[in-house]
Amino acid sequence: DQQVKQNSPSLSVQEGRISILNCDYTNSMFDYFLWYKKYPAEGPTFLISISSIKDKNEDGRFTVFLNKSAKHLSLHIVPSQPGDSAVYFCAASFSGAGSYQLTFGKGTKLSVIP
Amino acid sequence: NAGVMQNPRHLVRRRGQEARLRCSPMKGHSHVYWYRQLPEEGLKFMVYLQKENIIDESGMPKERFSAEFPKEGPSILRIQQVVRGDSAAYFCASSPAQSSYEQYFGPGTRLTVT
Repeated sequence: DQQVKQNSPSLSVQEGRISILNCDYTNSMFDYFLWYKKYPAEGPTFLISISSIKDKNEDGRFTVFLNKSAKHLSLHIVPSQPGDSAVYFCAASFSGAGSYQLTFGKGTKLSVIP
Repeated sequence: NAGVMQNPRHLVRRRGQEARLRCSPMKGHSHVYWYRQLPEEGLKFMVYLQKENIIDESGMPKERFSAEFPKEGPSILRIQQVVRGDSAAYFCASSPAQSSYEQYFGPGTRLTVT
């Protein structure tokens, strides 16, 4: 049973436009969410996170929105740049015992077209 | 300041052989996590270790897999009698003692079983 779902395997966006990557989760115990970016032949690198006590977190061109009632989060990248082309993983965790276990989605491959 | 280091980057083993994957955490990090990524899947948690202690191995197969993080030297993920289904990318992450959310990933070891 997949607890973190990224339903779009791929996304293509023109340079300069907004990229919106979506993520849904089923476990209501999750209270901390992270986005990782991964280039081929490299490990995932941390991008941005959000705690469940917030509904938005912004860092430069990257903003994550959390809708707890819908168990949905999204990553907005604006403006998109060719260097943003990568696979983006959504991950979730929870407080308390086992909080170190990140549960990942399958990833969305973003292609930013110059 | 070197990041998380993993070696080898690529490992080819025949069925029945042993595979040893090594991970050196970031300087100052005493917590190590191993994740496995099967083709077309997200990363799946395997095991969490601190120096000389296995804290949680709930994600690791019960047979043939073992992990250690000795007082000196890298963490080792050992797979005995490998089978084709073990072919995957194995990622190691480390974190500082204070925060398990901040996991920094290595580049991974791609294991191919022939």
